[in-house]
Amino acid sequence: GAVVSQHPSWVICKSGTSVKIECRSLDFQATTMFWYRQFPKQSLMLMATSNEGSKATYEQGVEKDKFLINHASLTLSTLTVTSAHPEDSSFYICSAILTPPNEQFFGPGTRLTVL
Amino acid sequence: GIQVEQSPPDLILQEGANSTLRCNFSDSVNNLQWFHQNPWGQLINLFYIPSGTKQNGRLSATTVATERYSLLYISSSQTTDSGVYFCAVDPTGNTPLVFGKGTRLSVIA
Repeated sequence: GAVVSQHPSWVICKSGTSVKIECRSLDFQATTMFWYRQFPKQSLMLMATSNEGSKATYEQGVEKDKFLINHASLTLSTLTVTSAHPEDSSFYICSAILTPPNEQFFGPGTRLTVL
Repeated sequence: GIQVEQSPPDLILQEGANSTLRCNFSDSVNNLQWFHQNPWGQLINLFYIPSGTKQNGRLSATTVATERYSLLYISSSQTTDSGVYFCAVDPTGNTPLVFGKGTRLSVIA
C-alpha cells in the first residue's frame, strides 16, 4: 500500500519559535496533499490544501501567515508553524492522494507541544 | 457543505462479539473511506468504498450510495480492534475528505 511519512513525530518548543513539519509520500507522487489538525477526542479538521508548484489553499479561519505551507516537489509538503504559541499545541496530520483511484493515505502525525 | 454522521459515538464490546458501525452522509459522494485511528494517532486505511461491498479478513464494508450510507462490520472483535473508527467522504473527487466525528470502540477481554 501507499506510504506517507511525517517528521518529526513529536516536538516540544518554546513559545515564539517556529517549527517545521515535513510530509512525504514515499512510494508515489502526489500533486495534492492536505494538512489536518486534531484536538484530543475530536475529529480531524482540514487546515489547508497543498498543491505542488502553486500556493496552498487555506480553510476559513486558518491564518496563512502563521501556518506556512510549501509543496516544493511531488513527494514533499512542509508545514511551518511560525511564532508558535501554546494554543497551537495539537496533533497535525498530513495526507496525500494516490491517483488512481483518488484514495487518501495519511501520515502518522506530529504532536506539537508549545510551552 | 456535506454532512457526515456516524453512529454509535461510543461502543463497548466483549472480545469475540460482532458489531456494525454506520455512516450517513447528506449528499452524493465520489469517494468514501473508512479508517481506524490507533492509540498512537495513526490513521490506518481500512476500505476505499464509494459503492458496493468489500471484505478484508474480519472486517467488511458496504456502501449504498443511492441511499447515502455506509456500514462497517467487525466480526469476532479483538482487543487490538480498539480505537476510533472514522468514516470520511469526498464529494467531488480529488478534494479533501470530510470526516465524521468517529465511533470510539473499546473491546474488553
